[in-house]
Amino acid sequence: GAGVSQSPRYKVAKRGQDVALRCDPISGHVSLFWYQQALGQGPEFLTYFQNEAQLDKSGLPSDRFFAERPEGSVSTLKIQRTQQEDSAVYLCASSDTSGIYNEQFFGPGTRLTVL
Amino acid sequence: AQSVTQLDSHVSVSEGTPVLLRCNYSSSYSPSLFWYVQHPNKGLQLLLKYTSAATLVKGINGFEAEFKKSETSFHLTKPSAHMSDAAEYFCVVMYSGGGADGLTFGKGTHLIIQP
Repeated sequence: GAGVSQSPRYKVAKRGQDVALRCDPISGHVSLFWYQQALGQGPEFLTYFQNEAQLDKSGLPSDRFFAERPEGSVSTLKIQRTQQEDSAVYLCASSDTSGIYNEQFFGPGTRLTVL
Repeated sequence: AQSVTQLDSHVSVSEGTPVLLRCNYSSSYSPSLFWYVQHPNKGLQLLLKYTSAATLVKGINGFEAEFKKSETSFHLTKPSAHMSDAAEYFCVVMYSGGGADGLTFGKGTHLIIQP
């Protein structure tokens, strides 16, 4: 595909359910990022991968959040025992160079609503 | 720590008039600065970036921004607004320290174009 894709685009979960959000980066992109965007706010950094290595997970808000990228391409963000405060748009971005200061290409996001 | 402040949550201009979106940053390090645009139901798109080369940066769609170190500002401008410019704009500060603190988005400015 030409860009970063994310699925599902919308997810409604009951409080306490586990969810998994998928990101397909641009083919060949080394770096992959996850962000959380609350309503009316700018995106906030969650975690960063370089190939399959998770180099920075300092933005993950709690140990209920887990991200993986086992083969260095597709990534999954998992949220366990969802809470209402997890409701947000989750954005994925990829970059064709390592490091966090280069242009990032963003997907359309997954809007998660926790009831 | 670094931060970025977008001074206006909403800006409304008439089509064909100039656009000014204001951004101020604070950083203990030499920052890289970006402007991203977010159209409804679309991913964030890079408009332009400053990485310590020329202080006046030209981007896509006629936008430009000037880095002013003395004022710690990176305001986004366009001489003549077009209806298609209506969107959310984010100023982003990145610094060389890396990590979650190295990726800071402003809260966004919603640009409204009046016909």
